[in-house]
Amino acid sequence: DAKTTQPPSMDCAEGRAANLPCNHSTISGNEYVYWYRQIHSQGPQYIIHGLKNNETNEMASLIITEDRKSSTLILPHATLRDTAVYYCIVRVAGGTSYGKLTFGQGTILTVHP
Amino acid sequence: DVKVTQSSRYLVKRTGEKVFLECVQDMDHENMFWYRQDPGLGLRLIYFSYDVKMKEKGDIPEGYSVSREKKERFSLILESASTNQTSMYLCASSFEQGVGGYTFGSGTRLTVV
Repeated sequence: DAKTTQPPSMDCAEGRAANLPCNHSTISGNEYVYWYRQIHSQGPQYIIHGLKNNETNEMASLIITEDRKSSTLILPHATLRDTAVYYCIVRVAGGTSYGKLTFGQGTILTVHP
Repeated sequence: DVKVTQSSRYLVKRTGEKVFLECVQDMDHENMFWYRQDPGLGLRLIYFSYDVKMKEKGDIPEGYSVSREKKERFSLILESASTNQTSMYLCASSFEQGVGGYTFGSGTRLTVV
């Protein structure tokens, strides 16, 4: 699976958009971009995934650059409960990598009142 | 709301005890996984199951076994607990196709003394 690079920490004011970047310059054509987050002492929570098109769901939006070498997770109106570690993962869906979720260091997002 | 439920949030067991960690999902997912998460080591796959009574070893199966007698339940067994098995244990599930994200439980923090 391709390696990802994320900033170690970010701050955001409550109610503002939080934009979390991720670099994955070695991504392969069949690899998806996934985002998870983990609130302290809880299990990871799946947020969103995409292959090449931008995606949006009730939690967030995912913007993937045209060359697919980077992406941005957008939380449109951050709340205090969005404070968590956010992980960007790039992996093939299924196949021999099945089940293998390699969480890097992630980005610690702190949302301030 | 769909859920993966782990039977205990915190467990303290003695060295040499046989330990059972239970996981139940209500999403009719085919695939279930057991991970452990340790500081600095990230998420490591212990075992996974893609069907009832089927199981596959992950990256660190030594000292563990699993049981999946029913689709919704996946049990992790520590045959003889040791102190190096002190960890956060996470159960997850997903649909067969594997493109979507994994749904995690809240985790069981196991301490072996």
